[in-house]
Amino acid sequence: DAMVIQNPRYQVTQFGKPVTLSCSQTLNHNVMYWYQQKSSQAPKLLFHYYDKDFNNEADTPDNFQSRRPNTSFCFLDIRSPGLGDAAMYLCATSRDGVAGANVLTFGAGSRLTVL
Amino acid sequence: GQNIDQPTEMTATEGAIVQINCTYQTSGFNGLFWYQQHAGEAPTFLSYNVLDGLEEKGRFSSFLSRSKGYSYLLLKELQMKDSASYLCAVLDSNYQLIWGAGTKLIIKP
Repeated sequence: DAMVIQNPRYQVTQFGKPVTLSCSQTLNHNVMYWYQQKSSQAPKLLFHYYDKDFNNEADTPDNFQSRRPNTSFCFLDIRSPGLGDAAMYLCATSRDGVAGANVLTFGAGSRLTVL
Repeated sequence: GQNIDQPTEMTATEGAIVQINCTYQTSGFNGLFWYQQHAGEAPTFLSYNVLDGLEEKGRFSSFLSRSKGYSYLLLKELQMKDSASYLCAVLDSNYQLIWGAGTKLIIKP
């Protein structure tokens, strides 16, 4: 089945210790997104790629970086995690970035705990 | 600013009907989405409305009034598995998705 796969599902790190979260997709979608979601809050968009074009949200901290080495994979790097970065990180894809075609398919998420 | 409003929490009884409302104020409008999110899981797509009116899909229906900036999600014949958060999201004029914080729906036997 075509899907979006995130690894790891659960990540525990220490304050300041770098973390990399990965996302792969078999849907051949052009657009990949990284969202941060804290409990009972709306998902917050961190970045998105339209093919290789990188789009950083204005309020995404510099502590967060992303890479998309090819169509299928995308990575989220958190360089120095703080306690406030503990959250669920959701990867999503969409076929395109226009209305109607912009249905997002989400991965199962990576839950980050910072000690 | 852009804003999506939904009730924080609702409670309903198994077998009943529930309506979850969403009002929005956004820069332009290119469609409204409803997603279902079970606790600790990723959101899954439920419906998309871009024209006024009711879209029915099985037990779930979604309604849109663009002039009022209003949508609702109607869930019929509620089942225990419908206990989840329901997220409303609007695609603005820049094709950016603006998300609501979600409505937590609790189903009681």
